[in-house]
Amino acid sequence: GENVEQHPSTLSVQEGDSAVIKCTYSDSASNYFPWYKQELGKGPQLIIDIRSNVGEKKDQRIAVTLNKTAKHFSLHITETQPEDSAVYFCAALVSGNTPLVFGKGTRLSVIA
Amino acid sequence: GAVVSQHPSWVICKSGTSVKIECRSLDFQATTMFWYRQFPKQSLMLMATSNEGSKATYEQGVEKDKFLINHASLTLSTLTVTSAHPEDSSFYICSTGADRGSLGYTFGSGTRLTVV
Repeated sequence: GENVEQHPSTLSVQEGDSAVIKCTYSDSASNYFPWYKQELGKGPQLIIDIRSNVGEKKDQRIAVTLNKTAKHFSLHITETQPEDSAVYFCAALVSGNTPLVFGKGTRLSVIA
Repeated sequence: GAVVSQHPSWVICKSGTSVKIECRSLDFQATTMFWYRQFPKQSLMLMATSNEGSKATYEQGVEKDKFLINHASLTLSTLTVTSAHPEDSSFYICSTGADRGSLGYTFGSGTRLTVV
C-alpha cells in the first residue's frame, strides 16, 4: 500500500523567513496530495492541495510543488508569521473515497 | 467548502461507561466517513471507514465491538466507545470522503476523550 514519509519532524524559523516541508510517497498511482494544518486541540484544516496533473500551485504565502517522477511533493510557506506555528501533515490519495495516507507531521515553530 | 460538525469537543467519563461521538456533515450528503484516533504528538491513525447504510470497515487491530460505528443517514455518523478504559483516552476525529465531486476531505474539530 501507499507509504508517505515527511521531513523534517520539527522546524523552527524566524518570523519572516520561509519554511519548507517535504514529503515522499511510494505509490505512483497516487493522484491527489493535500496539506493540512493542525492547531493544538483542533482537527486538521486543509490549507492547500495539488493533483497529479499539476506541478505547482500557489495560494498567497503558501505553495505546493509536485514532482511525479521523483514521487515527492513539498509545502512552501513564505514570510512566516507566528500564527503559522502548528503541526502540518501531508497526505496522499490513491483513488477517490479511500482513506488519505498521512505523513507523520511536522511541528513548525515561528519565532517572533 | 464542506462543513463537518463534531460533538462533543471534549468528554470525561468513568471507566466502564460508554461514550458517543457524533459527526455531522452540514452542507452535503456524506456517503463515506472516516474515523481517526490521534495520540499526542503523533499522526492520525485510521480506525474505520463507515459507509451510509452498511457496516463499517475496521482497520486491523481495531476492536469493532468496542468502537461501534453507525452511519444510518447521509448527514450523521457516530462512534461509540463502549466500556471505556483509561487506555481509550485519546483525540478522535472524523472526516468526510470525496463526496462532492471534487477531492476535499474535510475533518471535524475532534473530540478529546478522557477516561478516568
